[in-house]
Amino acid sequence: DAGVTQSPTHLIKTRGQHVTLRCSPISGHKSVSWYQQVLGQGPQFIFQYYEKEERGRGNFPDRFSARQFPNYSSELNVNALLLGDSALYLCASSLGAPGYTFGSGTRLTVV
Amino acid sequence: QKEVEQDPGPLSVPEGAIVSLNCTYSNSAFQYFMWYRQYSRKGPELLMYTYSSGNKEDGRFTAQVDKSSKYISLFIRDSQPSDSATYLCAMTPSGGYNKLIFGAGTRLAVHP
Repeated sequence: DAGVTQSPTHLIKTRGQHVTLRCSPISGHKSVSWYQQVLGQGPQFIFQYYEKEERGRGNFPDRFSARQFPNYSSELNVNALLLGDSALYLCASSLGAPGYTFGSGTRLTVV
Repeated sequence: QKEVEQDPGPLSVPEGAIVSLNCTYSNSAFQYFMWYRQYSRKGPELLMYTYSSGNKEDGRFTAQVDKSSKYISLFIRDSQPSDSATYLCAMTPSGGYNKLIFGAGTRLAVHP
């Protein structure tokens, strides 16, 4: 059974650009969460979706947005990219705590 | 003050050593305590979790939770070079769909 898949694996963007990251959860998992992991730090919670509804939002600016589709896949969008947005973006799917399974992440570099 | 504190290390031990990894936390509402292992350039992988206080053992790994002290530990016995990774503690208030609060992670290197 496939795990959590994220795409792309790496990308480089210029300051001010927009980026869309994608996540496909484990089959049967209806909850998807997004985390940002800056080098040398633990993951920081960005968003959580369940059944296409936002269930939680972390302390991130409005430049960050997300949505979940009817097939439970999800997108994370970041507008007006800043150098500080460079990080590993992780998606996790779940049937409920504590069973969060993470994908390998998308490594975003903003130059 | 961060909700979850974890010494980032790095921690370097010889093969076969017993490794002790620790986190402290401030939010008494945390009920689920998890340990994740993260290899370089990979996502975190759940090692084990504990609900409320107590101990849990899985092979060479033992997780302990002391809610009175707001302190959790992960012990690795007979450490192997393949255990070299970053270990992240994570916590959440309850079941359902709550966010995970992570520590900063401890880098562990087990040398032959």
